[in-house]
Amino acid sequence: AQSVAQPEDQVNVAEGNPLTVKCTYSVSGNPYLFWYVQYPNRGLQFLLKYITGDNLVKGSYGFEAEFNKSQTSFHLKKPSALVSDSALYFCAVSAPSGGSYIPTFGRGTSLIVHP
Amino acid sequence: GAGVSQSPSNKVTEKGKDVELRCDPISGHTALYWYRQSLGQGLEFLIYFQGNSAPDKSGLPSDRFSAERTGGSVSTLTIQRTQQEDSAVYLCASSSPTSGVETQYFGPGTRLLVL
Repeated sequence: AQSVAQPEDQVNVAEGNPLTVKCTYSVSGNPYLFWYVQYPNRGLQFLLKYITGDNLVKGSYGFEAEFNKSQTSFHLKKPSALVSDSALYFCAVSAPSGGSYIPTFGRGTSLIVHP
Repeated sequence: GAGVSQSPSNKVTEKGKDVELRCDPISGHTALYWYRQSLGQGLEFLIYFQGNSAPDKSGLPSDRFSAERTGGSVSTLTIQRTQQEDSAVYLCASSSPTSGVETQYFGPGTRLLVL
């Protein structure tokens, strides 16, 4: 069975500092990896995805994520955090070739950016 | 609008009553998902529709939960004899596999409170 772990319930960072939100996964076959963001009282919004190719994926709002196959990780990063980045972030994995085409989501990480 | 819409946005009901939640996916999207998001939890997969194929109901928590998708478009999630533990935000998402691997577009959700 495929699974996703987001080891941090909350990440605190000062505005202007770099941020990292961690995600590790377990899946059979090649993973498809996603990051979504959820602002208060809103649905989830797609940020970026990794399917194949370059391990560094760039997405919306200046976010990027790096696929690391050996560490089975897909950490979300941003060089300089903004207060407006404060939200709930979800990592998800699917594996159409060897697992399930239905994405499995992590529990979410609350990112708080302090002014 | 061009996005996924859900109604009602909020629903308060009494224990034992039936409720119907509606999802209007993005026009042309063949795949439709229902998820449940409880406080402090990740997204719990409920059911998946893809085109004219039989739905994947593997995530439905009990036989009180059912869903339909009429005409390959609008979907209704029905919860019979609601229980307090059904209180959650119910999210709908749609995707179009022809445009790339399963990037999901989420609606704003229906917040269900069972008293």
